[in-house]
Amino acid sequence: GQNIDQPTEMTATEGAIVQINCTYQTSGFNGLFWYQQHAGEAPTFLSYNVLDGLEEKGRFSSFLSRSKGYSYLLLKELQMKDSASYLCAVRDNDYKLSFGAGTTVTVRA
Amino acid sequence: IAGITQAPTSQILAAGRRMTLRCTQDMRHNAMYWYRQDLGLGLRLIHYSNTAGTTGKGEVPDGYSVSRANTDDFPLTLASAVPSQTSVYFCASSVASGGPDTQYFGPGTRLTVL
Repeated sequence: GQNIDQPTEMTATEGAIVQINCTYQTSGFNGLFWYQQHAGEAPTFLSYNVLDGLEEKGRFSSFLSRSKGYSYLLLKELQMKDSASYLCAVRDNDYKLSFGAGTTVTVRA
Repeated sequence: IAGITQAPTSQILAAGRRMTLRCTQDMRHNAMYWYRQDLGLGLRLIHYSNTAGTTGKGEVPDGYSVSRANTDDFPLTLASAVPSQTSVYFCASSVASGGPDTQYFGPGTRLTVL
């Protein structure tokens, strides 16, 4: 099985940077995903890492270290619309996803 | 239809009743999934189907059944609903090939079992 941990809540100011950490212990690893979920809506895909290193996509970046079982999602130049839950998910060798409980990010003016 | 749809949007159900949640995708994705999302627990996989005609059990399958008669539809049935099945249910689909194989989620069904 998978054990995925991420902080429950984070608060940051508009224009700032926030880093959401995710640690995992898995019986198999075939990629790590980050999803964004606004309140009352469906999760939407943000990023995917399968090799170690940083993947950058506009204001969002995601990092993976497989040896440490660690990933982070970096949100830069925070905007009010970035207030949402961010879900870390690990894919196993059967291509099934296991999700962390999610981190709720609140952006304040 | 564009993407993945679910019905109903929300439902209040008496305990012991049978209920089928519907999910349809028009992206010709091979794989489909059912998750439930509960506060503090995140998304948990109930059942999945890698291709039409096959299904598999996820992390929390008890009390639920699925079928995959064709590529587009993946209904989830609660044979006899119990209050612990109160949750938000999300259906998802993916191409099921190598690489990212991103899962795309439907809008969800909010189910309350009384």
